[in-house]
Amino acid sequence: GENVEQHPSTLSVQEGDSAVIKCTYSDSASNYFPWYKQELGKRPQLIIDIRSNVGEKKDQRIAVTLNKTAKHFSLHITETQPEDSAVYFCAGIAYSGAGSYQLTFGKGTKLSVIP
Amino acid sequence: NAGVTQTPKFQVLKTGQSMTLQCAQDMNHNSMYWYRQDPGMGLRLIYYSASEGTTDKGEVPNGYNVSRLNKREFSLRLESAAPSQTSVYFCASSEIRVTGELFFGEGSRLTVL
Repeated sequence: GENVEQHPSTLSVQEGDSAVIKCTYSDSASNYFPWYKQELGKRPQLIIDIRSNVGEKKDQRIAVTLNKTAKHFSLHITETQPEDSAVYFCAGIAYSGAGSYQLTFGKGTKLSVIP
Repeated sequence: NAGVTQTPKFQVLKTGQSMTLQCAQDMNHNSMYWYRQDPGMGLRLIYYSASEGTTDKGEVPNGYNVSRLNKREFSLRLESAAPSQTSVYFCASSEIRVTGELFFGEGSRLTVL
């Protein structure tokens, strides 16, 4: 099955600085890589995703890059703001047998943006 | 349009008691999921239902059962609760299995004493 590792587990940045969170995956057949944001006490919500036919995708201050050769993908947040403080999860596809696939989440990165 | 609704939001059980977490979605999604979230462990899949009438085990199914009652509803049952099942449980749904956006419920915080 898929193994998704996420680093760092905690990250503190000054407001206005950039933040980068990295994930590695083990299954070279994986082709879909979403990122979810979970604010304290709230539900996870999708913020951006990337498919394996592209190397980078941007949406305003957030971007995701994918390196299929090295089997890693990263979330980049520029010009961080206090409202970016949250736990971020990456995910990859795990093959669970008999043609069945499921998402496997990383363990999360707690991002703190210091005003 | 409420999205994904879970009940109850909070529950305290004693070891050995049973309970059912209810989940309903009004987005006409085919796939539904149950995850548990523990500190430092991320989101781990317990069971999922790719479509009405089917259910499959996820990463951590032991101690749980599920029922896909109809297209809207997917319940999670703990037959004999154990302290190790203390967790926050999230139900989710998606239109396209695996590569579709997951829409999560608000979560159910379960404590087993």
